[in-house]
Parts: sequence; structure tokens; C-alpha cells
Amino acid sequence: GAVVSQHPSRVICKSGTSVKIECRSLDFQATTMFWYRQFPKKSLMLMATSNEGSKATYEQGVEKDKFLINHASLTLSTLTVTSAHPEDSSFYICSARDVEGEQFFGPGTRLTVL
Amino acid sequence: AQSVTQPDIHITVSEGASLELRCNYSYGATPYLFWYVQSPGQGLQLLLKYFSGDTLVQGIKGFEAEFKRSQSSFNLRKPSVHWSDAAEYFCAVCPGGPYNTDKLIFGTGTRLQVFP
Repeated sequence: GAVVSQHPSRVICKSGTSVKIECRSLDFQATTMFWYRQFPKKSLMLMATSNEGSKATYEQGVEKDKFLINHASLTLSTLTVTSAHPEDSSFYICSARDVEGEQFFGPGTRLTVL
Repeated sequence: AQSVTQPDIHITVSEGASLELRCNYSYGATPYLFWYVQSPGQGLQLLLKYFSGDTLVQGIKGFEAEFKRSQSSFNLRKPSVHWSDAAEYFCAVCPGGPYNTDKLIFGTGTRLQVFP
């Protein structure tokens, strides 16, 4: 199946700094990518839909100025957590949708904000 | 609103035993249902999906699931569990239709532990 990578796999940062997470579709082009957040013992919550060449669509309650999403190419979307705080600590997962509509998920990025 | 419930947070089985993971959904129209498996360090992998037709769906790794509209359930089964099946399992529903998986709504997951 199609492969989606995320980088970094884990990151620790100080409160107030910004962190960028990359999501890449390695063997297919994805006009649409998705960003999820997963809390411990909780399900994945869709944060935003990232469309190549246009602005991301954010789910209700997700701060777009806090979580900046850029989808500059058909194989790369980035999520930047700006001015991170401890409550932003979480597991962030991206997915990429292929031409047949199926989503393929990345391995996730563990963010810890001190 | 659409929702997915996985009643079992944690299940432990012996290797070789049968397995059933429960999933109940709440959705007014025809649901499009999925089961994913999440292993440490790996992304969610699609095990199987139900869109229409035969209510018993076969998936990868020997898994199957049965859609029961009367019970609003889509339980995942495997006749003989292997130690490598230990992972987190997520049931999901897609209100957007089979070819528009924008709004995947996930359950809270069931952690499967397998004893030798």
C-alpha cells in the first residue's frame, strides 16, 4: 500500500517555541492531506483538512493561528504548532488521500512541550 | 451526530484463541465503516471496510467483520489470534460516503494484548 511518512517522530521543545511537523506521501500524490490529534486513551480527532495550493479547512474549535498548515506540493504538508504550550503536548498524526479516496496514515509525531 | 463506540478499552487473549472486538455506531443513513490497526511506530493500517453488499467483510491478516444494521454494530473478528496481532484497534465511520473519506470519525480504540 501507499506510504506516508512524518518527521520528526518525536520532538521535545520549550514552552513558547514553534514546532514544525512534516507529512509526506512517498509513492503517490495527494491533493488532500489531513491532520489529526490523538490524546492518550482517546480517539483521533480531525484538526484540519489540508488542500494543495489552497488554505486549510479547520474543524470547529481548532485555532488556525495556533496550528498553521501549509500544503505546498502534492507530496508534502506541514503543521506548525506556534508558541507551543504544555497543553499542546500530544500525538499528531497526518494522513494523505489517494485518487481513489482512501486515506493512508503516517506513523505520528509525539510532541512534548516543557 | 455521528459517533462510534468501542465498549472495550483493553482486551487480553491467549495466542490461538478467537477474538471479537466490538464496535457500535450512531448514524442515520447508510454507514460506511472501517477498522484500522495501529502498531507502535507505525501509522494506522486499514484492515477492512464496509460500504454495501455482503454484510460479512473479509480483510487483511485474517480479520473479518460483520455489519449488523439491526444492532448498529460492526464487530471485528479473528478465529485464531497471533502474538503479532497485539496492537490498538480503531473502528471508524465515514459520513461522507465511500469515496470521500474526509470526515472519518473514530472510536476510542481497543488495546489488544496477546499472551503466549
